Amino acid sequence: ETGVTQTPRHLVMGMTNKKSLKCEQHLGHNAMYWYKQSAKKPLELMFVYNFKEQTENNSVPSRFSPECPNSSHLFLHLHTLQPEDSALYLCASSQGWTGPNTEAFFGQGTRLTVV
Amino acid sequence: AQTVTQSQPEMSVQEAETVTLSCTYDTSESDYYLFWYKQPPSRQMILVIRQEAYKQQNATENRFSVNFQKAAKSFSLKISDSQLGDAAMYFCAYRSADSNYQLIWGAGTKLIIKP
Repeated sequence: ETGVTQTPRHLVMGMTNKKSLKCEQHLGHNAMYWYKQSAKKPLELMFVYNFKEQTENNSVPSRFSPECPNSSHLFLHLHTLQPEDSALYLCASSQGWTGPNTEAFFGQGTRLTVV
Repeated sequence: AQTVTQSQPEMSVQEAETVTLSCTYDTSESDYYLFWYKQPPSRQMILVIRQEAYKQQNATENRFSVNFQKAAKSFSLKISDSQLGDAAMYFCAYRSADSNYQLIWGAGTKLIIKP
C-alpha cells in the first residue's frame, strides 16, 4: 500500500477520445500534484493543488484539465491529445505546501499512449 | 533559474560493491533542500535521502549516504553493499526553502546491478 493510488495503470487512447486519470491519497495530505515524465527528460510539474485550490499551472495546454474535488482526490481530464503527450503521468501528495516537511509521496503512475 | 544535472545516464556496479551517482546543481540561493529519489520498474518514485543545505553534516540512511559539497554545488549519492533490489532509475532533485513547493529534477541515472 503506497498511500497514493493511481488508476488506470495503463491507458491507450485515440486523439479524439476523452479520458480521465484518477489519483487518490490516503495520507491525510493537503497538497496534490500532477507530473509528466517523458523518456530521458526531467520530471515536469504540471499542476499543484493546495487545500483543493489550484496554485500552480505550469503553462500546460488546455487539453489537460485538472480537477480536485477534495484534498484526497485529484483527476486529470484528457481530450484531443497529441502523440507527443504519451508519457508516464505521476501523481504525488505532500503534507503541506511550503516548509521543510513537504516531502512528496508518489503513486505508481499511469502509462499513457496516444495513438 | 535553478537547474539540476545528472551527467551519468547509466551506471553499473557489481553486487555487494559500492557505487557513487553524481549530481550537480546551479542556484543563487543559500537555503534549499536536495533529494535523491529512486524509481524502480514498478514506477513508483520513492524518497531515498534528503539533505538540508544549512546542515554541514552529510545525510545517511542505512546503506545510502550523500557527499554534499555546498561550495561546489555537488550532491552525490553513495550506495554501499549494492543489492539487486537497488536496480532502478535514480533522480536528484532540488527545492528552494523559502518558496512554494517546486521540485527541480535531474534527468536521472539508470543503475544496473550485476549479480
